[in-house]
Amino acid sequence: EAQVTQNPRYLITVTGKKLTVTCSQNMNHEYMSWYRQDPGLGLRQIYYSMNVEVTDKGDVPEGYKVSRKEKRNFPLILESPSPNQTSLYFCASSTGQGGGYEQFFGPGTRLTVL
Amino acid sequence: GQQLNQSPQSMFIQEGEDVSMNCTSSSIFNTWLWYKQDPGEGPVLLIALYKAGELTSNGRLTAQFGITRKDSFLNISASIPSDVGIYFCAGGTSYGKLTFGQGTILTVHP
Repeated sequence: EAQVTQNPRYLITVTGKKLTVTCSQNMNHEYMSWYRQDPGLGLRQIYYSMNVEVTDKGDVPEGYKVSRKEKRNFPLILESPSPNQTSLYFCASSTGQGGGYEQFFGPGTRLTVL
Repeated sequence: GQQLNQSPQSMFIQEGEDVSMNCTSSSIFNTWLWYKQDPGEGPVLLIALYKAGELTSNGRLTAQFGITRKDSFLNISASIPSDVGIYFCAGGTSYGKLTFGQGTILTVHP
């Protein structure tokens, strides 16, 4: 089944404790992206990647890191999480054709930073 | 960054009614898309629009790419209970950069 998977689905952590949220897709997509969803703000793009070793900042990249060493994986790293990073996070992928806008989303990761 | 203003924020309708929602921006977008999010899931693409003035249908859904490239609307005809969810507009500019609206929460009463 074609899908985008994220792990973990739920995470409660404390301020300053480094964490990684993994994202993997099995569709051989070139494009991948991370978003955060907050009430009343919709989805905001954190980082995106057009291909292996190619990443770029979205609208809200501060406090996040990403890497794209393999085509299928695009982990999101929070080096020193803070309470304002409490949010619902989505990973998405796309073939990249037509601008990469037609995206398949994962099921989401709900992160709470205490 | 660029902002999209989506309205209405929420809608409560009866089954069978038609629904209309729209997105506006002060910036020009190359692409407009509409996504739907069911509770507890990620958004799913409904319609993608690539040309100014384009009108596209997908079943009971119809969307248009505004001629000024600064707006888009989505219509749902004859709503059914499974239409419940959050609808997001999204605008694309440069490759891979996607800006989302705040979402419209749709509730359908049987």
